[in-house]
Amino acid sequence: GEDVEQSLFLSVREGDSSVINCTYTDSSSTYLYWYKQEPGAGLQLLTYIFSNMDMKQDQRLTVLLNKKDKHLSLRIADTQTGDSAIYFCAETLSGYSTLTFGKGTMLLVSP
Amino acid sequence: EAQVTQNPRYLITVTGKKLTVTCSQNMNHEYMSWYRQDPGLGLRQIYYSMNVEVTDKGDVPEGYKVSRKEKRNFPLILESPSPNQTSLYFCASSTNLGQGITQYFGPGTRLLVL
Repeated sequence: GEDVEQSLFLSVREGDSSVINCTYTDSSSTYLYWYKQEPGAGLQLLTYIFSNMDMKQDQRLTVLLNKKDKHLSLRIADTQTGDSAIYFCAETLSGYSTLTFGKGTMLLVSP
Repeated sequence: EAQVTQNPRYLITVTGKKLTVTCSQNMNHEYMSWYRQDPGLGLRQIYYSMNVEVTDKGDVPEGYKVSRKEKRNFPLILESPSPNQTSLYFCASSTNLGQGITQYFGPGTRLLVL
């Protein structure tokens, strides 16, 4: 079955880069996503990558996908205190199938 | 403004008392879904709907019902709530844009079952 694993916690200093890692088990995954959840709020889609891509960059965010190792990472450049949140990795097999989430990585950015 | 709304945002109830959490979206999305979020377990999908009158079980459907009579609404029904349904619930809607799903999440409903 589908399974998505993430480390639970990451702490960085303001201005450093953050790298949040995720592994998944289903090699049929079509789309992989990163969501951000700020305290008391719902989930916000940050970015996604299609499985035939290796990398996607969007301003301070860089997503790397290693299909061979089933490893996905999210790099946040110049991390700010406003980036403190829980980050969820998620996968889906097709446009409308079940979205499977990891348990989330709490990112804490200290001044 | 494109949004997903949920009501109520907070609810305290007692075991066995039927309740409904409403979800509504104004984006004409076909796909809607309910998740529950629990500490250490992340988000787990309860039910989803691919269109009006089409619903399917997610990973944790036991104890829940849904209906999709209209495209914009997708209520979650707990016929006989139990304490293990105490959780944070999120409704989401999406459409396939051809380059990946953009799922919009509601603000969440925090439920406590005593």
